[in-house]
Amino acid sequence: DTAVSQTPKYLVTQMGNDKSIKCEQNLGHDTMYWYKQDSKKFLKIMFSYNNKELIINETVPNRFSPKSPDKAHLNLHINSLELGDSAVYFCASSRQGVLTEAFFGQGTRLTVV
Amino acid sequence: GQQLNQSPQSMFIQEGEDVSMNCTSSSIFNTWLWYKQEPGEGPVLLIALYKAGELTSNGRLTAQFGITRKDSFLNISASIPSDVGIYFCAGHDSGGSNYKLTFGKGTLLTVNP
Repeated sequence: DTAVSQTPKYLVTQMGNDKSIKCEQNLGHDTMYWYKQDSKKFLKIMFSYNNKELIINETVPNRFSPKSPDKAHLNLHINSLELGDSAVYFCASSRQGVLTEAFFGQGTRLTVV
Repeated sequence: GQQLNQSPQSMFIQEGEDVSMNCTSSSIFNTWLWYKQEPGEGPVLLIALYKAGELTSNGRLTAQFGITRKDSFLNISASIPSDVGIYFCAGHDSGGSNYKLTFGKGTLLTVNP
């Protein structure tokens, strides 16, 4: 019954590797997001997708490539991982339109060694 | 980009005490949202505010959308140990995209039983 689910919950990998994080929502929402939470707990938006279309790319390095195969899924692929990519990545979704709130997944803790 | 100033950064209180935290911005916001994040979990929406002056309660929590639309506060009455967590304010900047939620840096709340 999880509304926004992302896998894996933990990911430990070496520098230079390529990895993917998957996200699915069963809320029927049209808009999905990826947020990054750094070690100081600051949450910053990375991408917004609406109906599978990229709406916001918040100056994220092009090593990060989101893909939305359908409205219910938004995956994040990261190439050539760097130490500074270590963080918790949150997927979220919301109803389309103005002034709506976002519902978050449980997060994926990525550690690059 | 737009940042929200959230204070205090942390609070240590005794069970039963009331708590107040606030958030300010340099620009006008169209919505104010308050989230709570517990360890290992994603942020969970507590209260959403959509109109200037709006005062909304959710159990022991009360939040208000400031008249100037540049601030919001969250009060927690009669705190209990399970109130522990990080509380984030967030909102949509009227001058920015409706697909982008800007977050404050969080208030870490510790409740001593």
